[in-house]
Formats: sequence, C-alpha cells, structure tokens
Amino acid sequence: GAGVSQSPSNKVTEKGKDVELRCDPISGHTALYWYRQSLGQGLEFLIYFQGNSAPDKSGLPSDRFSAERTGGSVSTLTIQRTQQEDSAVYLCASSGGISGNTIYFGEGSWLTVV
Amino acid sequence: GNSVTQMEGPVTLSEEAFLTINCTYTATGYPSLFWYVQYPGEGLQLLLKATKADDKGSNKGFEATYRKETTSFHLEKGSVQVSDSAVYFCALSGSGNTGKLIFGQGTTLQVKP
Repeated sequence: GAGVSQSPSNKVTEKGKDVELRCDPISGHTALYWYRQSLGQGLEFLIYFQGNSAPDKSGLPSDRFSAERTGGSVSTLTIQRTQQEDSAVYLCASSGGISGNTIYFGEGSWLTVV
Repeated sequence: GNSVTQMEGPVTLSEEAFLTINCTYTATGYPSLFWYVQYPGEGLQLLLKATKADDKGSNKGFEATYRKETTSFHLEKGSVQVSDSAVYFCALSGSGNTGKLIFGQGTTLQVKP
C-alpha cells in the first residue's frame, strides 16, 4: 500500500481481555517495528522484525505481549490479559526496499483498557 | 546505551519568531539522526534527517546540522507559522543493523498568531 496501515484505529477493551492489533507495512519493506506511545512516557520501542524473524524483542514489557509477522508482510501485536497500564497508542513502522533505512510510521492504534 | 535528550516543552512562540529546539545524543558508533513531527490528530512524519557528521538536513524551512563534536542535532526555523504547532521528536538510529529508532521525549511547540 501507499503507507503503513494499522487497525483498529481505536479499541476500548475491558481489563483482562486479550487484544490484537494489526499492521500492514509499506509494500516491499522488509523491516517492521512496533512502538508504544504513552502519556508522559514518550515513544518506547517494542519489537523489530526483519522478514518474519524478530531479532530484537528487547522492548516487550512483559510476557503478556507478543507479536508475529507472516509472509514478510502483515504483523499482529497481541496483548493478553490487558491491564490499565497497557492503555497507549501502539505505532507500527516499516522501512527497507527502495526507501532505504528511512522509517515510516502508521497513524497508530489507540488502545484504552477500562 | 544510546539515548536522546530534548529540551522540555512546551515552547510557545509568536508567529514569525525564530525557533530552536535543542537535541543532544549519546551513542556508540556513527548513528543517523532524525527529526520527526506529530501534528495534532496525525501520525509521526519524518521531517528531516542527517546520516553523517556535518550533514545538514532540511525540509519545510526547518534545518538541523549533525554536530559530532557537541553530539547535538538542534532543530531550527527562521520564521515559524501557526501551522508548525506540533510535537517534535529527535531520534537516532541504534547501533547494530536493526535500524531501530531511539526517541527523545518530544517537545511541544505552540505558535500563536
């Protein structure tokens, strides 16, 4: 696609439920990143994919967070047993191909845990 | 480890004023440096970048020069407009070959007419 696409754009969920956030990167981009943007916390790196592999998962805050990428394209970030502190905007980004190492961001998925 | 420090906001300026947002970094190796901007209700957009020492990135009237000797990448604009009101993030690419970005905390700029 023309840009990084994320869904849903907004999600309200009850504490304890699982959520899945989807990212469709720019076509041809081999690298994919997930970040989290919280009030007062800035932008935190979560995980990096190169193709379908995740060589850097160092930012995942707990084992309730996981992510996968299939076909070198779409990625899903899953948060199990959501907590109120998980409320944030989850940003996906991609790079590679003809755009080189410039990273392009999607508009984010705003997650609210109530 | 690598880190980025930005001046705290909010920064409030009148239209046509000169803007400087300070950014300093700590890094091993030779990172690339970036400024991203987030307009109200929109996603992060790349504003400009510099990939090596003494490079100057520029876009939309904004400039920043990669200063290795002072480990800085300050953002400047000669004459701001109301439409420049946004949150500005300084970032560097991490060490190794992941390309992941490490961000500063962001600086909110408000330009008043």
